[in-house]
Amino acid sequence: EPEVTQTPSHQVTQMGQEVILRCVPISNHLYFYWYRQILGQKVEFLVSFYNNEISEKSEIFDDQFSVERPDGSNFTLKIRSTKLEDSAMYFCASSEELGAKDEQFFGPGTRLTVL
Amino acid sequence: RKEVEQDPGPFNVPEGATVAFNCTYSNSASQSFFWYRQDCRKEPKLLMSVYSSGNEDGRFTAQLNRASQYISLLIRDSKLSDSATYLCVVLDSNYQLIWGAGTKLIIKP
Repeated sequence: EPEVTQTPSHQVTQMGQEVILRCVPISNHLYFYWYRQILGQKVEFLVSFYNNEISEKSEIFDDQFSVERPDGSNFTLKIRSTKLEDSAMYFCASSEELGAKDEQFFGPGTRLTVL
Repeated sequence: RKEVEQDPGPFNVPEGATVAFNCTYSNSASQSFFWYRQDCRKEPKLLMSVYSSGNEDGRFTAQLNRASQYISLLIRDSKLSDSATYLCVVLDSNYQLIWGAGTKLIIKP
């Protein structure tokens, strides 16, 4: 069964460093998403991406964040200068369509720890 | 403010019992509704969509009340493997998923 994959599973970084989280969405999917979940808190939408551009982004997704689809398979989330409060699980998801009934499939997540 | 509210629990329930969760949402323009399941430190997984007429999938029944803006999930004949956090999720008019904080369910033998 096709699945979304994410690397690394755990990333530890120093405050102020740049990190790139990688995702490989399901191959025939067209819509891609990043979410984050701070330990013990809600899943929060960060950004959606379609046709090589951002469709929607939340207020969390400020200038420190960027997304890219550098090739036909990878979808990346970059945090330019990490802060302590960026420590969280980051989930990538993809869907075939953007719509009410279309399921988003989630990757296993990357745990980001900022020291 | 966009919000989805759930009782955080935990609900401690004996195996075989029936358990129900509710969820309320604040945005009346919300389009679609879902229940996700999340195991500890894992990704959320879609359990079921929630349709206006109510829907059932095996031991799970979901109901939507648009007038009162709440969604429910009923689990019958609960199994040990049902232990997880159940997340109520709402799709808003911008096609963003708005997540509840989850209700933790613990099924005891």
